[in-house]
Amino acid sequence: EVQLLESGGGLVQPGGSLRLSCAASGFTFSSYAMSWVRQAPGKGLEWVSAISGSGGSTYYADSVKGRFTISRDNSKNTLYLQMNSLRAEDTAVYYCAKPSNYDILTGYSGYFDLWGRGTLVTVSS
Amino acid sequence: QSVLTQPPSVSGAPGQRVTISCTGSSSNIGAGYDVHWYQQLPGTAPKLLIYGNSNRPSGVPDRFSGSKSGTSASLAITGLQAEDEADYYCQSYDSSLNVVFGGGTKLTVL
Repeated sequence: EVQLLESGGGLVQPGGSLRLSCAASGFTFSSYAMSWVRQAPGKGLEWVSAISGSGGSTYYADSVKGRFTISRDNSKNTLYLQMNSLRAEDTAVYYCAKPSNYDILTGYSGYFDLWGRGTLVTVSS
Repeated sequence: QSVLTQPPSVSGAPGQRVTISCTGSSSNIGAGYDVHWYQQLPGTAPKLLIYGNSNRPSGVPDRFSGSKSGTSASLAITGLQAEDEADYYCQSYDSSLNVVFGGGTKLTVL
């Protein structure tokens, strides 16, 4: 079965760090770019970051640039999001998602045809 | 404030037709980038509903249709059913901001 499963969410204090993971199965993980999309409680969707299939190309939303790092381990079929210097406004459900296509030069991503169930990150003291 | 503008809510009676608009600008929809639509049921992940402006993935009923013109796009739902009650999001690409979403529209079936 084709699926994505996120883990690693939880409660963290402002200024703290957290690493999210997304385990992929049912498709050739290394052949596809991957993304993180988040949704604050009661709010809309916000794209966070994207990474190429090889991991050599990465893009970030301005809101997380310099604080978050996207990476992947193709030998483990796993996507990661390292989140540092967390703020209250980072509180959200974080989804990993697979874009239909991706341009390594521009960061262009198409539609997201596969989503995980999400993991909740709460930043609060 | 989202880069793509959607109405916060729409409603309709069962069997009726509703439309949801998605307005962008010259750096995203108006630049020729495709618009995609997602349906999000309460407590679940978004589900792809329309891709490439007007294409339906396998399994999506033909009651759902999409269109795009200029700097805007629309999602139409005909023969409204109770199970269509959900949040709907449009998505495109912006030459300055990368992937952008609309703020979402809550559909209420009366």
